[in-house]
Amino acid sequence: QLQLQESGPGLVKPSETLSLTCTVSGDSISSSSSYWGWIRQPPGMGLEWIGSIFKSGSTFHNPSLKSRVTISVDTSKNQFSLNLSSVTAADTAMYYCAGHRGPTGPDSWGQGTLVTVSS
Amino acid sequence: QAVVTQEPSVIVSPGGTVTLTCGSSTGAVTSSHWPYWFQQKPGQAPRTLIYDTSNKHSWTPARFSGSLLGGKAALTLSGAQPEDEAEYYCFLSYSGARGVFGTGTKVTVL
Repeated sequence: QLQLQESGPGLVKPSETLSLTCTVSGDSISSSSSYWGWIRQPPGMGLEWIGSIFKSGSTFHNPSLKSRVTISVDTSKNQFSLNLSSVTAADTAMYYCAGHRGPTGPDSWGQGTLVTVSS
Repeated sequence: QAVVTQEPSVIVSPGGTVTLTCGSSTGAVTSSHWPYWFQQKPGQAPRTLIYDTSNKHSWTPARFSGSLLGGKAALTLSGAQPEDEAEYYCFLSYSGARGVFGTGTKVTVL
């Protein structure tokens, strides 16, 4: 059974870079059709798709986040990561990592990790 | 970027049936948007119920079904249970493998 677990700092200062890692267990991150993605949810608000990555390294990002997002894969550790640069208070949210069957929606979700942007 | 719209809230009686819809600002929703549906209860991560319009995961209760209806994606709950009270989100995929979540529907079983 596929399991995902987010990890990273719970507090980030404004203008700095938010960095999160998702550890995958129960499947290889290099498996044939797997995409891996990030989703966030500000407190009391709805879900926002951040982006996803294929095992080949091809990435797809939410245009509204422009060039602030970097998603990468580390196959040796069975992990993938999110970097979000130049954060502001508006980036405060629960961040979820997810496994996708293809370049569509998320099928399996991590438990989420709360990241607060504050000085 | 497309806007994906859902009903803000619905109320369903225990044992009753309700249909939630998911519309796109770009036009009719089709199977090529690969519609997904998720359930989220307070304090929990979302759980995927439906993928690719109408397919269920192994953990999806049989009372949930997905379809296309009148140019929108639809999630039907037949025989609502108290534990179905939750927020429901849809997700549509657009060109370039980019996705957009819907605005969410709060379902109350009362």
